[in-house]
Amino acid sequence: AQSVAQPEDQVNVAEGNPLTVKCTYSVSGNPYLFWYVQYPNRGLQFLLKYITGDNLVKGSYGFEAEFNKSQTSFHLKKPSALVSDSALYFCAVSTSGTYKYIFGTGTRLKVLA
Amino acid sequence: DSGVTQTPKHLITATGQRVTLRCSPRSGDLSVYWYQQSLDQGLQFLIQYYNGEERAKGNILERFSAQQFPDLHSELNLSSLELGDSALYFCASSEGGGSTDTQYFGPGTRLTVL
Repeated sequence: AQSVAQPEDQVNVAEGNPLTVKCTYSVSGNPYLFWYVQYPNRGLQFLLKYITGDNLVKGSYGFEAEFNKSQTSFHLKKPSALVSDSALYFCAVSTSGTYKYIFGTGTRLKVLA
Repeated sequence: DSGVTQTPKHLITATGQRVTLRCSPRSGDLSVYWYQQSLDQGLQFLIQYYNGEERAKGNILERFSAQQFPDLHSELNLSSLELGDSALYFCASSEGGGSTDTQYFGPGTRLTVL
């Protein structure tokens, strides 16, 4: 069965510091991986996805993620955090032949001024 | 703004009642998905439609049903409501509905069952 784990409920980082939000997955077959961000009282906004090819994926708002097949991870990163990045971040996975995303439990990112 | 619209934004109702949530996908998208977000269950996939046909089913209760109409908008019907059905219900749409498609989410409908 497919699953996604976001091991940290909350991540705190100082403004200007690099940030990492962790995601690991378990699927049979090739994974398709997605990151979304949710601001309070808003829907989920798409940040980036990995389908195939280059393991480093660049997305919106300066975010990037690295696909690591051996570690079954897809961590979200940003070189320099902004206070406005504070939000709830979700990792999701799908795989060939399935039509749904499996979402992680979310990680709340808090960027401190 | 994702281009996906959902109405109503908020809905307050009583146990045992029935409600209908509506979703309009982005222009050109053929696939619609419904998700439930609650504090204890996280984001759960409910059901997917592609061009009017049901394509995939997730953790959708028998009291819940959905459909996608010829104009591609979708409705999620929740009946015999229970307190535990209180949640945020999201609709998402994608162009083709495949595994690699990006899903674009609407702002959600917050359902409160009293």
